[in-house]
Amino acid sequence: GNSVTQMEGPVTLSEEAFLTINCTYTATGYPSLFWYVQYPGEGLQLLLKATKADDKGSNKGFEATYRKETTSFHLEKGSVQVSDSAVYFCALSTNGNNRLAFGKGNQVVVIP
Amino acid sequence: GAVVSQHPSWVICKSGTSVKIECRSLDFQATTMFWYRQFPKQSLMLMATSNEGSKATYEQGVEKDKFLINHASLTLSTLTVTSAHPEDSSFYICSARSSIGSDNQPQHFGDGTRLSIL
Repeated sequence: GNSVTQMEGPVTLSEEAFLTINCTYTATGYPSLFWYVQYPGEGLQLLLKATKADDKGSNKGFEATYRKETTSFHLEKGSVQVSDSAVYFCALSTNGNNRLAFGKGNQVVVIP
Repeated sequence: GAVVSQHPSWVICKSGTSVKIECRSLDFQATTMFWYRQFPKQSLMLMATSNEGSKATYEQGVEKDKFLINHASLTLSTLTVTSAHPEDSSFYICSARSSIGSDNQPQHFGDGTRLSIL
């Protein structure tokens, strides 16, 4: 079956620091990969996506590259801001499959 | 574009009450809508997939008679929590996927409904 694994635990870092959140996946077929962000008390917002191997999704300074050889889709941002504090979810869906499989999410706290 | 509106955003009601939550796609048509439940500090759990004009497909362990889903049009799906009890208290989130394009169109999420049953 399809599954997504995110690194354990919250991430706390200082403003302007480099952020990496690891995401690896297991899937049948050729999945599309997504990062969603959830701000406190809100639903999820699509942050970026990649639909095939070696694609790079990018948005608001965040980037993630679809690595088929390592089955990974790590999220990175070079210089975080306090406003980036949120929960970040990695997710995948496979061709013709409605279902999104989510990772457990990572709480990111950026300290001024 | 791709805005999903969910209403209400917060509900507090007495045990035994039935609560209806609406999910609307405002600027696109959505053949398929999804209902999720999220417990505090947990990931989203898919409850059911709602297809316009047909019965919803429920995930294993989700009570169909407890969580009634109706998807009567391409822009509206409703979730009714019937005879709600405190254990139904949770954050419910809907999402919608555009009818146009590939099967891997992203899902667009509503802002969620926080349901508190006293």
